[in-house]
Amino acid sequence: GAGVSQTPSNKVTEKGKYVELRCDPISGHTALYWYRQSLGQGPEFLIYFQGTGAADDSGLPNDRFFAVRPEGSVSTLKIQRTERGDSAVYLCASSLTGWGEQYFGPGTRLTVT
Amino acid sequence: ELKVEQNPLFLSMQEGKNYTIYCNYSTTSDRLYWYRQDPGKSLESLFVLLSNGAVKQEGRLMASLDTKARLSTLHITAAVHDLSATYFCAVGFFMNRDDKIIFGKGTRLHILP
Repeated sequence: GAGVSQTPSNKVTEKGKYVELRCDPISGHTALYWYRQSLGQGPEFLIYFQGTGAADDSGLPNDRFFAVRPEGSVSTLKIQRTERGDSAVYLCASSLTGWGEQYFGPGTRLTVT
Repeated sequence: ELKVEQNPLFLSMQEGKNYTIYCNYSTTSDRLYWYRQDPGKSLESLFVLLSNGAVKQEGRLMASLDTKARLSTLHITAAVHDLSATYFCAVGFFMNRDDKIIFGKGTRLHILP
C-alpha cells in the first residue's frame, strides 16, 4: 500500500514569506506527527495529531508555526514570516494508534534565503 | 530536563564484528523507538519497545529495554556493510497531556568491508 507522502519535496522561499507543507498519512492511521531535522541532528518533535485535534503542539518553536488536520487525514504545516533558521527537512510520520510504530514520509527540504 | 543520549556518536567497525549502541534517557518512559536513516533518506522504523525487559530481534539487529536503568541497547551481530547508516533512538515522554518524543543525536555507523 501507499506510504506517507509529503509535498513539495523541496521548497525554496525568501525570508519573510509564507509556506505550506503538506502531509498525506497512510490510510487509516489516526495519529500524525510533524518533525523537523537539521543537518547532522536527530529529528525534533513539533506537533502530534490524534484524529483532527492537535493532541500536543508543545514542540512548535513559536507562533509563526501552525498545523492543521481538518478531516483527520491530510495535514498542513504552515509557517509564517519565514526566517533563515527555519531551513531544515520537515518530516511527517503517521501511526495506526497514538505513539505506535511511526512510518515516516520522505520529507520536505525547506530552504529560506 | 528531558534528555536522550546516545553513544557512541560515530562508530567504524569491521565486517563480522559485534557491537552495541547505547541509549540513555533522563526520565521515566516505557516507550522506546529505534530508527535507521540512510544518507539523504527518511527514517525507517526498526523497533518499538514497550515494556521493561522487552527484547526484539530482526536479522543482525537486536534491541532491548531496561526501564529501571533508563537504558536501551541496539546490538549488532556479525556486522555487514549494508548495515552502514545512522541509527537513532527516540524516547516517548507522556506527562499530563504534554506528550512528546525526543530523539538522540544518532549514531553514525560505518562498516568497513
